[in-house]
Amino acid sequence: GDSVTQMEGPVTLSEEAFLTINCTYTATGYPSLFWYVQYPGEGLQLLLKATKADDKGSNKGFEATYRKETTSFHLEKGSVQVSDSAVYFCALRRGGSQGNLIFGKGTKLSVKP
Amino acid sequence: GAVVSQHPSWVICKSGTSVKIECRSLDFQATTMFWYRQFPKQSLMLMATSNEGSKATYEQGVEKDKFLINHASLTLSTLTVTSAHPEDSSFYICSARDSQGSQPQHFGDGTRLSIL
Repeated sequence: GDSVTQMEGPVTLSEEAFLTINCTYTATGYPSLFWYVQYPGEGLQLLLKATKADDKGSNKGFEATYRKETTSFHLEKGSVQVSDSAVYFCALRRGGSQGNLIFGKGTKLSVKP
Repeated sequence: GAVVSQHPSWVICKSGTSVKIECRSLDFQATTMFWYRQFPKQSLMLMATSNEGSKATYEQGVEKDKFLINHASLTLSTLTVTSAHPEDSSFYICSARDSQGSQPQHFGDGTRLSIL
């Protein structure tokens, strides 16, 4: 069945470091791909998304490109801030716009000043 | 922006009691709501899909008599954990999708359920 695999955390970085969180997926058809972020004590928020191959989603300095050839959707940020400390979830949506989300296990990011 | 309100945020109760969790879409109509469960250090697992005015669709392995879902209106879905036991302790999160279908899901803040 459909699944999402993302790198295990926790990831600890210094402020202004480069961030990559790997995400790969297995799915039939052409799913939409998402990154969600969960800040401490808060609910999940959509960070960015891509709906077709080669699309790049971007928001708040984060980027991820939908790579169908490698079935990947890696999250990157050139310079992280302490405020980026959170848990990041990669997800795919199956079944078109009406489908539910399938999540990776989440990666906890801690950014130190 | 669109907001989903989930209540309560944290509940502690004795084994054998039933617990109801509410999920409301505050400024949009949601024909479909999803209920997820998150175990420690594990991913969010879809429990069921709740459709307004019809029976919920449960994922394989989820007991429908244990986790009762009611979606009586376009803005409210409830999850009732019946006769809760310690193994039901978990973090439950709901999400709602705008009736237009094109918007991403909006999530509630989750409910931490602890069964003693």
